[in-house]
Amino acid sequence: DAGVIQSPRHEVTEMGQEVTLRCKPISGHDYLFWYRQTMMRGLELLIYFNNNVPIDDSGMPEDRFSAKMPNASFSTLKIQPSEPRDSAVYFCASSLKDWNTEAFFGQGTRLTVV
Amino acid sequence: TQLLEQSPQFLSIQEGENLTVYCNSSSVFSSLQWYRQEPGEGPVLLVTVVTGGEVKKLKRLTFQFGDARKDSSLHITAAQPGDTGLYLCAGDDDYKLSFGAGTTVTVRA
Repeated sequence: DAGVIQSPRHEVTEMGQEVTLRCKPISGHDYLFWYRQTMMRGLELLIYFNNNVPIDDSGMPEDRFSAKMPNASFSTLKIQPSEPRDSAVYFCASSLKDWNTEAFFGQGTRLTVV
Repeated sequence: TQLLEQSPQFLSIQEGENLTVYCNSSSVFSSLQWYRQEPGEGPVLLVTVVTGGEVKKLKRLTFQFGDARKDSSLHITAAQPGDTGLYLCAGDDDYKLSFGAGTTVTVRA
């Protein structure tokens, strides 16, 4: 298996633009997580899905952030409009059968909003 | 406020030395996970500890879960440059994983 695949690896955008991050989880994994990592706040859970259904989005910082999982093999995290403080590394992770079993992380998307 | 407090924040040692990093909380956890993250990569699970007092060994790495299941430690014996990375602990927090801020370990050759 190729592991969790995220795209793009790097994204530079101007403030106010829409940004869409993409994730393909490991096949057969029931849980998908979106995390954000910054030096100041560390690794924060934004939202997670179970069988494509959002379970907990309490970590989503603002209405500018939205996430979807239209099917078991694809998820998106969208920021609209983007702001400089959104600059961070965004990770997608998936796990097999429970929210607290091993999480397999993608390589992340480094987002820079200028 | 971080649910999990990790210390120290940074650690730089010479190859061959030993090191210990800590993960502490006032909360009781059913389990704790330790991850290592290398630059430009996502975290990778090293171990999960589930029983109070449990000790697990992974080659030169020794993980311990406190008796009260509120804290954990990671000890590396004879550290090598390949052990360099960010070490993160994670515990269950209201049906989701919460990560500590991590300890950045640098092992100099």
